[in-house]
Amino acid sequence: QQQVKQSPQSLIVQKGGISIINCAYENTAFDYFPWYQQFPGKGPALLIAIRPDVSEKKEGRFTISFNKSAKQFSLHIMDSQPGDSATYFCAASKPNFGNEKLTFGTGTRLTIIP
Amino acid sequence: DGGITQSPKYLFRKEGQNVTLSCEQNLNHDAMYWYRQDPGQGLRLIYYSQIVNDFQKGDIAEGYSVSREKKESFPLTVTSAQKNPTAFYLCASSDNYNEQFFGPGTRLT
Repeated sequence: QQQVKQSPQSLIVQKGGISIINCAYENTAFDYFPWYQQFPGKGPALLIAIRPDVSEKKEGRFTISFNKSAKQFSLHIMDSQPGDSATYFCAASKPNFGNEKLTFGTGTRLTIIP
Repeated sequence: DGGITQSPKYLFRKEGQNVTLSCEQNLNHDAMYWYRQDPGQGLRLIYYSQIVNDFQKGDIAEGYSVSREKKESFPLTVTSAQKNPTAFYLCASSDNYNEQFFGPGTRLT
């Protein structure tokens, strides 16, 4: 069963626009929600992460919004640039009592057009 | 220069053959993971190890085997029982704070 649902599967945004990717989770025990960025042929790299004690976290042009009651979280990329074109994965894991495994969404392929 | 290395970058498996993918980390992380990535399916966990000499099956362990004899190494063997091995294989490691660091991957055909 898929515990983290990600949408959309693909997204095209004009340069300078806002890219928004959404994820929903089912397991209320999850308490760590990272976003990973992956370029073709490379391994994913951690972009930004949030824990449920805050509703928003911002790092530069990247913001995570978290809605605990709706069990949803989203990634917002402000002023999107062609260099942001990549595949983005959301993920979730339970409290770390021994390196708990991450459950990943299926990914969103983002394309930023000039 | 700390990080995770995977080798080889590309690998071809003949039918009936076992092949081993290497993963090494110098981050001093206790936990290591192997994922398989197929187009449109995200990352699926094959095996993970939280400590030396111990490992657990992930969601798609059939046809794969691992060992964890050293903290820095976690090799994955794709056995002949894995009938559809073509994929991008990713190794990751983590410390005690959830964040996983990924290697550059091995593409197996």
